[in-house]
Amino acid sequence: EIVLTQSPATLSLSPGERATLSCRASQSVSNYLAWYQQKPGQAPRLVIYDASKRATGISARFSGSGSGTDFTLTISSLEPEDFAVYYCQQRGDWPPTFGQGTKVEFK
Amino acid sequence: QLQESGPGLVKPSQTLSLSCSVSGDSIKHGAYYWTWIRQHPGKGLEWIGYIYYSGDADYNPSLQSLVSMSIDTSKNQFSLKFNSMTVADTAVYYCARGRAAGATYWYFDLWGRGTPVAVSS
Repeated sequence: EIVLTQSPATLSLSPGERATLSCRASQSVSNYLAWYQQKPGQAPRLVIYDASKRATGISARFSGSGSGTDFTLTISSLEPEDFAVYYCQQRGDWPPTFGQGTKVEFK
Repeated sequence: QLQESGPGLVKPSQTLSLSCSVSGDSIKHGAYYWTWIRQHPGKGLEWIGYIYYSGDADYNPSLQSLVSMSIDTSKNQFSLKFNSMTVADTAVYYCARGRAAGATYWYFDLWGRGTPVAVSS
């Protein structure tokens, strides 16, 4: 199965700063990469799918890029509600797999 | 909306049975693949398997011998059975809606709130 490696494990930032999260796949997944946001005690929420498409209701400050094996989620200017754990997920190969997560925390 | 239901505690070696009720849309919608995903305490996410409204299903190869899913279109709900539970299966179990949208496999655009399941004697 495809292994997704997210970096960094933790990102310590302040509101208003730019967040850049990375997800690397062990083999190509084309553009079939999604990002989810999870807050404590809540289910994950789809943020980006197919590498760069924002899900319904997601703010334009979230953007995704990449293809093949290297992907990036960028939050252009962090709002207080953006501090959470972010997971990437590939659907390019069987079975679907998730990364281990990046925690975006208050600096 | 998706809503999981089931026991919060099972004993080792027992079978876990969970259900997911779908509201606001038909479970027979051809674009949707009904999915179970779990999250071990403090850990990442693990895809368990999916079932389609037709009854077609498939499972994570690592869990295939332990898992089965079923669907009841008349009740707009689907279910998970997980056999021979061990302490290592303690997790939050989520049902989710998968969308293929031009690809073979899925992203997950709607999730239930999750149900915690503890395995303990």
